[in-house]
Amino acid sequence: QQKVQQSPESLTVSEGAMASLNCTFSDRSSDNFRWYRQHSGKGLEVLVSIFSDGEKEEGSFTAHLNRASLHVFLHIREPQPSDSALYLCAVSMVSNYNVLYFGSGTKLTVEP
Amino acid sequence: GGIITQTPKFLIGQEGQKLTLKCQQNFNHDTMYWYRQDSGKGLRLIYYSITENDLQKGDLSEGYDASREKKSSFSLTVTSAQKNEMAVFLCASSLDAEQFFGPGTRLTVL
Repeated sequence: QQKVQQSPESLTVSEGAMASLNCTFSDRSSDNFRWYRQHSGKGLEVLVSIFSDGEKEEGSFTAHLNRASLHVFLHIREPQPSDSALYLCAVSMVSNYNVLYFGSGTKLTVEP
Repeated sequence: GGIITQTPKFLIGQEGQKLTLKCQQNFNHDTMYWYRQDSGKGLRLIYYSITENDLQKGDLSEGYDASREKKSSFSLTVTSAQKNEMAVFLCASSLDAEQFFGPGTRLTVL
């Protein structure tokens, strides 16, 4: 049974300082990893999807996958107050009909 | 492009009531999903369906029924609403690895 955990539970950074979020998963057969952002009361916004070990950059968001250590990280470069939101990591497998297993989220606050 | 429609947007029920949430997609996707999101938390899978008339239970299926009578629609029934079920219910569909989410139904139980 896939377990996905995120840390920290909440994170406060100053505007312009790098923010780093961590996600661990339990099934090394997982083949699809996504980071979502959710502003309060709003829907899910896909930030970056990554399928192989290494890094993938989408704008100011960089995902780093290390399947051997069961980690996927999200780095946010020069965050703005508008980036304050709940960040969710989701893991899936094509062989399991792409069912998404989510972490419980990191609440990011970016202070001006 | 396609769209996922969820009705109603807000659903208010009484404790013990049977409540039904509906989802429609026009992507022509095979697989559809129901997730529940408690406030400030991640999503948890309730049911999914890989084709018409197929149903697969997720981790949170107890207390819920689902129905996939047509490829384009997937409904979820809360069999007996409980106060601790106040949450947003999200429907999604997928063809390959990408999932598309609906806007959600916010359930409040009085």
